[in-house]
Amino acid sequence: EAGVTQSPTHLIKTRGQQATLRCSPISGHTSVYWYQQALGLGLQFLLWYDEGEERNRGNFPPRFSGRQFPNYSSELNVNALELEDSALYLCASSLVVDEQYFGPGTRLTVT
Amino acid sequence: KNEVEQSPQNLTAQEGEFITINCSYSVGISALHWLQQHPGGGIVSLFMLSSGKKKHGRLIATINIQEKHSSLHITASHPRDSAVYICAVKGRYGGSQGNLIFGKGTKLSVKP
Repeated sequence: EAGVTQSPTHLIKTRGQQATLRCSPISGHTSVYWYQQALGLGLQFLLWYDEGEERNRGNFPPRFSGRQFPNYSSELNVNALELEDSALYLCASSLVVDEQYFGPGTRLTVT
Repeated sequence: KNEVEQSPQNLTAQEGEFITINCSYSVGISALHWLQQHPGGGIVSLFMLSSGKKKHGRLIATINIQEKHSSLHITASHPRDSAVYICAVKGRYGGSQGNLIFGKGTKLSVKP
């Protein structure tokens, strides 16, 4: 069974640009979670999607947004990139409540 | 005060030593996770606990719901255990419902 996949692995953008990160959950999983791990900081919850709806949102500005598609894959969009958006972005998926499986992450660098 | 506190922040051990990493939390939870993160960033879920104790190979995780405390033990540690170990809780109520709240992690280095 394939695990959670994320693309791209690395992404380099300049300040002010937009970044799009993608996540494919484990087959059959309906929930997708996005987390940010900035350098020197711990993991922080960004967004939770379930059955195509945004269920919860972390303490991030509105320029962080996303969506979940009918096949349960998800996109995270970051608009008007700032230097401090440079981080590892992790996606996780789950079916039953509580068990989450993590993808390998996308490392975003903003210059 | 962070909702999830881990100790120690850094831990250096000799190969073969018994290791304990502690996690305390202050919110109501539906589950607690222990995660392992290797250099490069990939995260592996080691355990998910809502009560009692779980064992997988040389790893043991315990949780005391009343005391809001969990421990991760590694027996007969090995250099390949070197990684960052992260405690995360799934909030049960309000704004935390559904998402994980993470500790800052414990960086473990096991020397041969």
